[in-house]
Amino acid sequence: ETGVTQSPTHLIKTRGQQVTLRCSSQSGHNTVSWYQQALGQGPQFIFQYYREEENGRGNFPPRFSGLQFPNYSSELNVNALELDDSALYLCASSLGTSGYSEQYFGPGTRLTVT
Amino acid sequence: QKEVEQNSGPLSVPEGAIASLNCTYSDRGSQSFFWYRQYSGKSPELIMSIYSNGDKEDGRFTAQLNKASQYVSLLIRDSQPSDSATYLCAVDSGSARQLTFGSGTQLTVLP
Repeated sequence: ETGVTQSPTHLIKTRGQQVTLRCSSQSGHNTVSWYQQALGQGPQFIFQYYREEENGRGNFPPRFSGLQFPNYSSELNVNALELDDSALYLCASSLGTSGYSEQYFGPGTRLTVT
Repeated sequence: QKEVEQNSGPLSVPEGAIASLNCTYSDRGSQSFFWYRQYSGKSPELIMSIYSNGDKEDGRFTAQLNKASQYVSLLIRDSQPSDSATYLCAVDSGSARQLTFGSGTQLTVLP
């Protein structure tokens, strides 16, 4: 177990709705990165939060947004859900933003959009 | 487009054999390389990290890095059925040191 927790475990939403996913980082870690993993693919980087600021973003539209709180926990919000948003959403925590920082994943949230 | 390529497999090896997993990457500026193991229905689990050219050993796992060839590999010695999983190669890139993942190699170790 990595100590990274995510909620909820599973979620079913309808196209056009909004969703919020939550992540608590491992004790001592101050950086949270979010990834989307479609079936049969590797995770794709959505964005990273460090010291409550977005510290980098992958190729995802603005309807994907996030927050980081003073306790380093984080939220991923997705507006106007599309069918293609169905995926496993993973958060990973790390200490700092160095390229040498190892990222540890939580169990993920499985989102299904119908 | 920064890319990480892996043989998609599936790769099957008999129990006790050496499993060899390969990965190439396109970003010459990458500094850090990671191997994750992902069991079906679970999240990725970090098993190895490597930052310098050469070999790094941890138990039955050996990671090998050749930055000149932009190549990283993972060897699993004395493979066990419990090693059956998808192995993901990840390379750091970008200003946020984001990880770029390959699509994974599915490994099956046959008893």
